[in-house]
Amino acid sequence: GDSVTQMEGPVTLSEEAFLTINCTYTATGYPSLFWYVQYPGEGLQLLLKATKADDKGSNKGFEATYRKETTSFHLEKGSVQVSDSAVYFCALRKNSGYSTLTFGKGTMLLVSP
Amino acid sequence: ETGVTQTPRHLVMGMTNKKSLKCEQHLGHNAMYWYKQSAKKPLELMFVYSLEERVENNSVPSRFSPECPNSSHLFLHLHTLQPEDSALYLCASSQEQGPGELFFGEGSRLTVL
Repeated sequence: GDSVTQMEGPVTLSEEAFLTINCTYTATGYPSLFWYVQYPGEGLQLLLKATKADDKGSNKGFEATYRKETTSFHLEKGSVQVSDSAVYFCALRKNSGYSTLTFGKGTMLLVSP
Repeated sequence: ETGVTQTPRHLVMGMTNKKSLKCEQHLGHNAMYWYKQSAKKPLELMFVYSLEERVENNSVPSRFSPECPNSSHLFLHLHTLQPEDSALYLCASSQEQGPGELFFGEGSRLTVL
């Protein structure tokens, strides 16, 4: 079945450091890929998405590129802030039927001043 | 109100109680979901309603009973729960035949004593 694998956390960085959170997936066909963020005490918010190979999703300084050849969708940000501390979830959706997402386990990011 | 609203935000109940979680979406979507989020486990899809019909039930115990009276409202009725059912219950909605992203509520934190 479909699956999403994310790097284990927590990822601990200093403010203004470069961030990479790895995400790889297993799925048949051509899924859509998503990154969600969950701040403490809140639900999940869509951060960015990509619907086909080589698409780059971007939002709030975060970027991720849909790499079909490596089945990856790594999340990057050039300079993190304390306010980016949260749990980040990678997810995929098969492009058929209703919109059930398959999520990774989540990666906690902790940014210190 | 906008987005997806869940009530109550926090609920404590005994194993013999009956309670309900409520979700309302103000986005005009036609699909709604219940997810369970437990510590150190991936997000678990519980139920999916598409056009007010249940289309997925992921082997959820019968002590959880969903109800979708219309496309804007979703309930999760709870009875005879176990302590291991303590978790954050997240409601989400989406528009079928659309981009596929889910919009989440802030969750209902359930504690079973």
